[in-house]
Amino acid sequence: DIQMTQSPSTLSASVGDRVTITCRASQSIGTWLAWYQQKPGKAPNLLIYKASSLQIGVPSRFSGSGSGTEFTLTISSLQPDDFATYYCQQYDTYWTFGQGTKVEIK
Amino acid sequence: EVQLVESGGGLVKPGGSLRLSCVASGFTFNSYTMNWVRQAPGKGLEWVSSISSGGLNVYNADSVKGRFTISRDNAKNSLYLQLESLRAEDTAVYYCARSNPFDSWGQGTLVTVSS
Repeated sequence: DIQMTQSPSTLSASVGDRVTITCRASQSIGTWLAWYQQKPGKAPNLLIYKASSLQIGVPSRFSGSGSGTEFTLTISSLQPDDFATYYCQQYDTYWTFGQGTKVEIK
Repeated sequence: EVQLVESGGGLVKPGGSLRLSCVASGFTFNSYTMNWVRQAPGKGLEWVSSISSGGLNVYNADSVKGRFTISRDNAKNSLYLQLESLRAEDTAVYYCARSNPFDSWGQGTLVTVSS
């Protein structure tokens, strides 16, 4: 099974900060990597697919990069609406989520 | 507008059964892979099961293999998850989600396994 490991687990940041979340796969997954945002009590929302493609309707301050086993999600300038939990997901072989990164207000 | 509406959750005793449903609208249901994902209280997301657009290919997480069965009825735009031999650790919100990766999600239905 492919394991996905995110870091950090929690991130404290301020509005306007540049934020980076890392996701590592236990084996190469090419670019079959997605990122989701989830707010409390709500369903997740797809942000990025194929490692770096922005889902329709997602603000351009979100970007993704990486391939193989190392991936990053970057928020260029954190907005109040961005405080949430973020998950990576591999969809190369079946589907596996990372454990999540909670972005909280500093 | 894509809509996915889950139902069928509730309180069930350990060892019991439940059938979850997800009704889809706003898109051509029979063209999409569909999925179930769950989230235990305060925990992260866990993929559970997936089914191909025609229903021929089914995939299950090891944690539910032999106990959960995914199915679909394309004539009714509906996705199902039959849960058997339920355990306390199956307690979670169960979401249905469209496509691969998961580009639309329902609001979820809560399954609580407790005596």
